[in-house]
Amino acid sequence: GAGVSQSPSNKVTEKGKDVELRCDPISGHTALYWYRQSLGQGLEFLIYFQGNSAPDKSGLPSDRFSAERTGGSVSTLTIQRTQQEDSAVYLCASSRPGAEQYFGPGTRLTVT
Amino acid sequence: AQKITQTQPGMFVQEKEAVTLDCTYDTSDQSYGLFWYKQPSSGEMIFLIYQGSYDEQNATEGRYSLNFQKARKSANLVISASQLGDSAMYFCAMRETKAAGNKLTFGGGTRVLVKP
Repeated sequence: GAGVSQSPSNKVTEKGKDVELRCDPISGHTALYWYRQSLGQGLEFLIYFQGNSAPDKSGLPSDRFSAERTGGSVSTLTIQRTQQEDSAVYLCASSRPGAEQYFGPGTRLTVT
Repeated sequence: AQKITQTQPGMFVQEKEAVTLDCTYDTSDQSYGLFWYKQPSSGEMIFLIYQGSYDEQNATEGRYSLNFQKARKSANLVISASQLGDSAMYFCAMRETKAAGNKLTFGGGTRVLVKP
């Protein structure tokens, strides 16, 4: 079956602009996660969705970051007023409850 | 304190030989899970193997096995009969029961290069 998909695969944006990153999880996976991978910080958890609600947003680095999930499926991560330190690969993962997480290919974000 | 520690930033291994990647963890949970993921240069994280804290047997999955030593809090990955395609970054991760939603905490990774 289809895996987790993310779009765009690459995004270059100017400092101060807003960006939206999209994640389409595996069908039937109710849990969805966003992680960030950067050279200095490794892999960091950002936010977790169960269905459309986000019980754990503890990893969002600032209020410039937000995410939503609709229809228990697609999720969008929005970064407002991007900064250079936001440059990273943003990874989305999905899973059945309590099961292993399957990751998408990631979105490489570069803020110039 | 680091929850997941991978002490080997990089390793070379000869094709067809076995390699062990170290992972130690820190948790006060009694129930937790340990995972290994492979990240080739393409960037996608590929799930390899899982070990539950209550599992009595070491997990195995094809050429991958997990050497789980609970008292020492270590969960080393063993790759047998290395292949050129095994060249990648390998991440150890932990899921703690206390963590809402089963989020994963990752180690810093080990880069493996398989030599022909």
